[in-house]
Amino acid sequence: AQSVTQPDIHITVSEGASLELRCNYSYGATPYLFWYVQSPGQGLQLLLKYFSGDTLVQGIKGFEAEFKRSQSSFNLRKPSVHWSDAAEYFCAVLRGFGNEKLTFGTGTRLTIIP
Amino acid sequence: DAGVTQSPTHLIKTRGQQVTLRCSPKSGHDTVSWYQQALGQGPQFIFQYYEEEERQRGNFPDRFSGHQFPNYSSELNVNALLLGDSALYLCASRWGPERYDEQFFGPGTRLTVL
Repeated sequence: AQSVTQPDIHITVSEGASLELRCNYSYGATPYLFWYVQSPGQGLQLLLKYFSGDTLVQGIKGFEAEFKRSQSSFNLRKPSVHWSDAAEYFCAVLRGFGNEKLTFGTGTRLTIIP
Repeated sequence: DAGVTQSPTHLIKTRGQQVTLRCSPKSGHDTVSWYQQALGQGPQFIFQYYEEEERQRGNFPDRFSGHQFPNYSSELNVNALLLGDSALYLCASRWGPERYDEQFFGPGTRLTVL
C-alpha cells in the first residue's frame, strides 16, 4: 500500500524567511505527486503537481517542489513567505490515473510570525 | 462560476441517525469524489462518481453511500452514525475521471455526531 509521510506537524517561520515542507512517500514505482493548501473555512487548493519530466516543478503563489526519486521525497519550498501563507499544507500521492485513491499525508500546519 | 459548493456548512446529529450531504460540482465538471477529513488528519477518499455510477471506493463501510444526479450534483449518505463519523466532508469535482490536475475541492461540510 502506498503511504505519505509529512514528518513536521507544525512549523513556525518568520515572515520573509524561506520555507521547506517535507514529504516522503512509500510506493514501488513513481507515483503522481501533489501539494495542496487548506486555509480555515476553505477547501483544498492545488499548489502544484508532478506527473513526469522536469523534477523541479513550479506552482502557484511562488511555491516550488522538487521530486527526488532516490529519496522518495517531494519537498515543497518557497524562498520568502508572506503572512498569507499561514495555512495547512498537504502532500498527496496518486498511484496512477484510473486508480482514484488519492492518498494524503497528515498535513503540516504553517504559522508565520512577524 | 461559483466553484464547488457544498451544503450544509455545518451539521449536528446524534448517534444512530442518518445524514445526507450535498455537493454541486464546478460548472463543466462531471466527476465527483468525496473525502472524509477527521480532525488533525489528511482527507481520506470515500468514493468517486462518474456517469451516475460509483466508480471507485475507499475503505469505508457500506453505511456510506452516495448518488450522482443527471446534472452531475452528488449526495453522500451516512446511515447509523457513529461518534467516529464526526469530520469535515469534502467534495471534489473535475472534468473526466483522470483530470487530477484540474480537480477542485469544495469548502466542506462539518459533521458533528453527539
